[in-house]
Parts: sequence; structure tokens; C-alpha cells
Amino acid sequence: DVKVTQSSRYLVKRTGEKVFLECVQDMDHENMFWYRQDPGLGLRLIYFSYDVKMKEKGDIPEGYSVSREKKERFSLILESASTNQTSMYLCASSLGTHNEAFFGQGTRLTVV
Amino acid sequence: AQKITQTQPGMFVQEKEAVTLDCTYDTSDPSYGLFWYKQPSSGEMIFLIYQGSYDQQNATEGRYSLNFQKARKSANLVISASQLGDSAMYFCAAVRIQGAQKLVFGQGTRLTINP
Repeated sequence: DVKVTQSSRYLVKRTGEKVFLECVQDMDHENMFWYRQDPGLGLRLIYFSYDVKMKEKGDIPEGYSVSREKKERFSLILESASTNQTSMYLCASSLGTHNEAFFGQGTRLTVV
Repeated sequence: AQKITQTQPGMFVQEKEAVTLDCTYDTSDPSYGLFWYKQPSSGEMIFLIYQGSYDQQNATEGRYSLNFQKARKSANLVISASQLGDSAMYFCAAVRIQGAQKLVFGQGTRLTINP
């Protein structure tokens, strides 16, 4: 089975902290994605990566950065967490455009 | 830019009825793929069905079918003979095929099946 694993299920951080969300996939997928999910807004794409060290901005990249040093790992970084970044964060990976994306279990981040 | 619009925030359907969930997409890409996912209350994302923009026939997977109308830029999901277990959030998504493979989702539709 394809597995996408996010490092934490729940996180509570303070305003201004630097936050790292980690995502690991075990199926040698080229593409990896980070989304945030908010009620009524669906899944909004923050960043995606189509190869090691390659990344592109999604629709809401402000306040976030990413890192992909190894194919299996895609990290989302909140440089200085703010309360409006409180959300559910979902990581996904896919083999290619005709293939479905597989999702992690999500990280519910609360910034206080 | 790609944009997915799901205009039905919520739908209520009687068990065993068919249901159509609307999805329209806006993309300038000549080739793209369209997906539907289900998210039950447990939070997992479950892939349901895929349609390529150049596929001649509408995709079907069991009780799920995709009503793809390219000229109208719509990709509605049809669920036949709905079941109580179909109650969930449903998301439509699109990916461009050429270049960097950006996968974007719509706002979702919450489907409730009544007994």
C-alpha cells in the first residue's frame, strides 16, 4: 500500500514560532503537494514539488516555504507562525498526472 | 491558472436515489485531468474517479460516473443508487498534464444521504 505519513497529527505553536511540518511518502512518487483545508474553502494549494529540489508556488504561498532535499520527503515551513495559519494541513503525493494523489492523515495546527 | 468551482455547499438526498454533484473548471491548459475525491468524517481522502481531457468516453467506476462536458467545462459526478455510507464531503480537482503538474481542488460539497 502507498503510504504518505505526516509527522504530527496535532500541533500547538505560539505566534512567531518557526514551524516545520514533515511529510514522507514511500512509493517513489515524483510529485508532492501541500494543502491547507478550511471549512467552506476546500483544499487550497500552498506549494508543490515535481522533483528533488524543484518547487513551485501554489495559490496561497504567502507565509510559507518548502524544502525537498530527498525524493521521499517534502517539508512545509511556517517562517513565523500567525494565528491565521491555524488550519488542517494535508500532504499528498502522486506518480503522474493520470494517477490519483495519495494523502497523509493531516496535521491540525493551532497557532496561539 | 486553474480554478475549480463547486457551487453546491450542501446536498440532501434520499437513500437509493441518484445524485449529481456539480463541478466546473477553468483552465487555459490544452491537456488536463479531472478527479473526484470523497472525504468522510474520519478525514481521509479517498480517490473515486479520473477523467482525462482527451478521453472520448465518460469515466465510470462502479456506482460512480463522471459526466464530462468539455465545451461547457463541467465534470459532474453522478452517484447511482445512493447509500448511507455515501454521506461525506466530495471534492472535484484538476491537474494540468503539460509542465509542472499542479493539482487544484474545489471548495467541496457536503452530501448527506437520508434513510
